[in-house]
Amino acid sequence: DIQMTQSPSSVSASVGDRVTITCRASQGISSWLAWYQQKPGKAPKLLIYAASSLQSGVPSRFSGSGSGTDFTLTISSLQPEDFATYYCQQANSFPPITFGQGTRLEIK
Amino acid sequence: QVQLVQSGAEVKKPGASVKVSCKVSGYTLTELSMHWVRQAPGKGLEWMGGFDPEDGETIYAQKFQGRVTMTEDTSTDTAYMELSSLRSEDTAVYYCATLYDSSGYYLYYFDYWGQGTLVTVSS
Repeated sequence: DIQMTQSPSSVSASVGDRVTITCRASQGISSWLAWYQQKPGKAPKLLIYAASSLQSGVPSRFSGSGSGTDFTLTISSLQPEDFATYYCQQANSFPPITFGQGTRLEIK
Repeated sequence: QVQLVQSGAEVKKPGASVKVSCKVSGYTLTELSMHWVRQAPGKGLEWMGGFDPEDGETIYAQKFQGRVTMTEDTSTDTAYMELSSLRSEDTAVYYCATLYDSSGYYLYYFDYWGQGTLVTVSS
């Protein structure tokens, strides 16, 4: 199975900051990667798919990049509603579908 | 717009089974590829299995093989996930979620999610 490792596990930032979260796959997955946002008590929400494609309705301050084994999610200017937990997920090798362990984005 | 509405919270004793439902609206179940993902309290997301549009079969994660059954009732557009031989480690929120449909070609991302069903396993 492909293992997905996110870093950092948690990060503190302020409104207006630029934040980058990293995801590394245990083997190459081309661009078959998604990013999700999850708020407490809510289902995850798809933000980015195919490593860099923005899901419909997602603000443009979110962007994704990378291919192979190393990927990043960047939020260009944090808004209050962006404080949440973020997960990466590989879609290259099925089954299984695997997720990263999550990165908690907290208010500084 | 796809909407997925799941059944309510459950409390089960160890060794029992639970069956969670996921009602589809806005589309028919046959137009979707339904999967199930769970999340233990304070933990990350864990894929359990789902319909593989590539070969038309339901695939289960190895961890749940023999304990999980995913079914669909197309007459009511409702998907079900049944987990048996429950243990305390199965306490989690269970989500149904659909594969991303890219103009008739499915990608292994999840674009629509149910609201989640909390299953608590406790004696």
